[in-house]
Amino acid sequence: GAGVSQSPSNKVTEKGKDVELRCDPISGHTALYWYRQSLGQGLEFLIYFQGNSAPDKSGLPSDRFSAERTGGSVSTLTIQRTQQEDSAVYLCASGETGSRETQYFGPGTRLLVL
Amino acid sequence: GDSVTQMEGPVTLSEEAFLTINCTYTATGYPSLFWYVQYPGEGLQLLLKATKADDKGSNKGFEATYRKETTSFHLEKGSVQVSDSAVYFCALEGGATNKLIFGTGTLLAVQP
Repeated sequence: GAGVSQSPSNKVTEKGKDVELRCDPISGHTALYWYRQSLGQGLEFLIYFQGNSAPDKSGLPSDRFSAERTGGSVSTLTIQRTQQEDSAVYLCASGETGSRETQYFGPGTRLLVL
Repeated sequence: GDSVTQMEGPVTLSEEAFLTINCTYTATGYPSLFWYVQYPGEGLQLLLKATKADDKGSNKGFEATYRKETTSFHLEKGSVQVSDSAVYFCALEGGATNKLIFGTGTLLAVQP
């Protein structure tokens, strides 16, 4: 497990359904980030976890979005009542400490909301 | 707030041509600066970085120098190859927050 892994790689869902996206960071990395890449908005920060500190949720676009990180490792991004504008590639990244360190990105989950 | 502006694409070059992709930033404090690359069908990869003024990041023949006086971090390569065709993103990471703020990306197409 050399890199960040994400699942599923692709997800198609119907408007109004909930979806869960998973991220497995690089072992030992304490910092974990979620970003969204969409045609209209480019690459946007969503949420940041650092160790046991309270997450920085300042990038979450609405209260339909939430994320958790269990045991300081795996993270799940949940989108409730999906809308068509949620269609995007959701990227996860991890880093060693979270401050001025390189972030290593996973391959992303491509979400399509019909 | 902090922001990154990079040149619009697509940029189309012939093999062995000189490449410059402009990037300027607005930030409070002293951010670290990055270039990430996204090859077709692949995820984002770090290309190079610089953490303080006048630092030069380099990798795979690409270079960028952190210019505080012009708030710029332009990406250059002396001789591009077809395999360099990708989307290039300039980004900054501020001191107060740890998130990356990205430019819009520049598509580079290198023709043989």
